[in-house]
Formats: sequence, C-alpha cells, structure tokens
Amino acid sequence: DAGVIQSPRHEVTEMGQEVTLRCKPISGHNSLFWYRQTMMRGLELLIYFNNNVPIDDSGMPEDRFSAKMPNASFSTLKIQPSEPRDSAVYFCASSLAQGESPLHFGNGTRLTVT
Amino acid sequence: SQKIEQNSEALNIQEGKTATLTCNYTNYSPAYLQWYRQDPGRGPVFLLLIRENEKEKRKERLKVTFDTTLKQSLFHITASQPADSATYLCALTASKIIFGSGTRLSIRP
Repeated sequence: DAGVIQSPRHEVTEMGQEVTLRCKPISGHNSLFWYRQTMMRGLELLIYFNNNVPIDDSGMPEDRFSAKMPNASFSTLKIQPSEPRDSAVYFCASSLAQGESPLHFGNGTRLTVT
Repeated sequence: SQKIEQNSEALNIQEGKTATLTCNYTNYSPAYLQWYRQDPGRGPVFLLLIRENEKEKRKERLKVTFDTTLKQSLFHITASQPADSATYLCALTASKIIFGSGTRLSIRP
C-alpha cells in the first residue's frame, strides 16, 4: 500500500499564477479530504468528497480555490490566481468512509507564493 | 462559536515520565474523537479513536479518555521516550472532522 500520494512536494510560484495540487488517494477509500495547515490557523478543512461528489466546501477560502475529483483515484486542488497569503502546506487525506474510519494523510505540498 | 483547544502549544517532559495532553471543545457534540501524531515535514498519522460512549481506550503505552460532560479528552503517553517527540493533534467528528491546533511534545533524555 503506497499510501496517499501528493504532488508536487514543493511548489514556488509568483503571485497571480495558477497552481494545481494533485492527490491520489488509497485504493478503495471512498472519502477524500483537502486540508490546509499554517502556523497561525493550524489544520483547516477546505473541502471533502464522498464517492467523488463534493459534500462540503464551506472551508474553501474564496472563489479562487476550486477542487475536483473526476474519478476515485485522483483529485486536484486549484488556486487561480494565487496570492502570498495562500502560502501553506496543503494536505490530502482519504478514508474508507466518513464515520469512524481514520484519515490517512499524504505528506503534503508546501506552497510558497511570492 | 465552535472551538477546539489543546491546552499547551508545547510540553517538555523527562524521559520515562507520563506525558498528558489535553483537548477541550465547546459547542460541539462529537460522535467520537481521534488523536493523531505529526512529525516535521510529514502528514498526521492516526493513533487512537474513542467514541462518545466510551470512557477510556488504550493501545500499548497510549491511553485516551473522553469526558462528554467536561467536553474534554486527555491523551497519555506512559514511559515516554525521546522517539515520542512530535506534535499531537486531536480531531473531533461531528458533521465533519475538525482538528485542534496541536501540542508539540518534547521528551528529553
């Protein structure tokens, strides 16, 4: 089991550029979560999917953020246009089902927007 | 408003002692609570889950308690070791999974 795979591990971009973060969940997991972690705000839930359908996107900061899950093995989080305040570590996590199944996290993408 | 607080940003413990971390919450009615460990540069890793109708859960040197009246969970590491040094996060599950800000635990030899 390869675990949750995120790419890239690091992304440095200039303000105004589009950024796409990628996630491959664990095979067989049907819930997927995107979190953002900063020193100031900790680990914040941005959006989660059940069976590829977005269930709650109330944590998405603004319209510049969008997330998709075109199939059970792939999800993207896009920021367009990016701003310096978007700098953070973005984590993807998956679980068997929302409920008592624990979350399995990837190792994150460290995003720096200059 | 809903709030999760982990009482210390950082905790420094002598090796061999018991480390106790606290997670308090307000305006939630979680069905269960989880604890995770996070090492620098890595994602959080699941440790233990405790349901609202359970008072205590153990796994090797780890023990978690859950008091829904006090709205508090305690996380204990007995016989602590330097390898236990990490950040520990509590997570509540109500309608969604929300994390506390974490406690950075350091075990000194």
